[in-house]
Amino acid sequence: GQNIDQPTEMTATEGAIVQINCTYQTSGFNGLFWYQQHAGEAPTFLSYNVLDGLEEKGRFSSFLSRSKGYSYLLLKELQMKDSASYLCAVKDSNYQLIWGAGTKLIIKP
Amino acid sequence: GAVVSQHPSWVICKSGTSVKIECRSLDFQATTMFWYRQFPKQSLMLMATSNEGSKATYEQGVEKDKFLINHASLTLSTLTVTSAHPEDSSFYICSANPRAEDFYEQYFGPGTRLTVT
Repeated sequence: GQNIDQPTEMTATEGAIVQINCTYQTSGFNGLFWYQQHAGEAPTFLSYNVLDGLEEKGRFSSFLSRSKGYSYLLLKELQMKDSASYLCAVKDSNYQLIWGAGTKLIIKP
Repeated sequence: GAVVSQHPSWVICKSGTSVKIECRSLDFQATTMFWYRQFPKQSLMLMATSNEGSKATYEQGVEKDKFLINHASLTLSTLTVTSAHPEDSSFYICSANPRAEDFYEQYFGPGTRLTVT
């Protein structure tokens, strides 16, 4: 079956750095996505990786290793507004998005 | 960027009634739209894939006769929850992208919160 694993919850301190990991086993691979979702709102797109390596976008970076079925989202200079759920999703061979359960990130002052 | 709208943003209905939720792509044509359901503190669950001009593809365990999907145009898909029950209360979100294969980002609507009393 297809599976995406990410930690259920993480806690970090304002101003610090946090890394959210995601491992996947899917039938085929056509890209990995990270989305941010605040409570009661729809997800918003953060990043997309289809080739191995690091993609940097401001305070957020995303890394992919296809051979290891692994990705991480790195958030730097954490702000209180970064408190949200972070969803990892993979497009499989049919271009269907397979979603992880999400990681709830709690930022403490 | 591309915009997807949903209407209504929230709705309260009585048990046994039907509710229609609209999903529109405002500045692009979407041959494919997706309907998700999300219960509190849980992740997104794909309910069905809506294809313009053809029948929707439902995920396993989703009752197609209860959740009617119509994708009559390239900019509009509707989800009708028929004979709603309290257990159908959830956050329903649609998403769309112009082409699933080569336009990689999926744009989400703001979601519709359904409460069935």
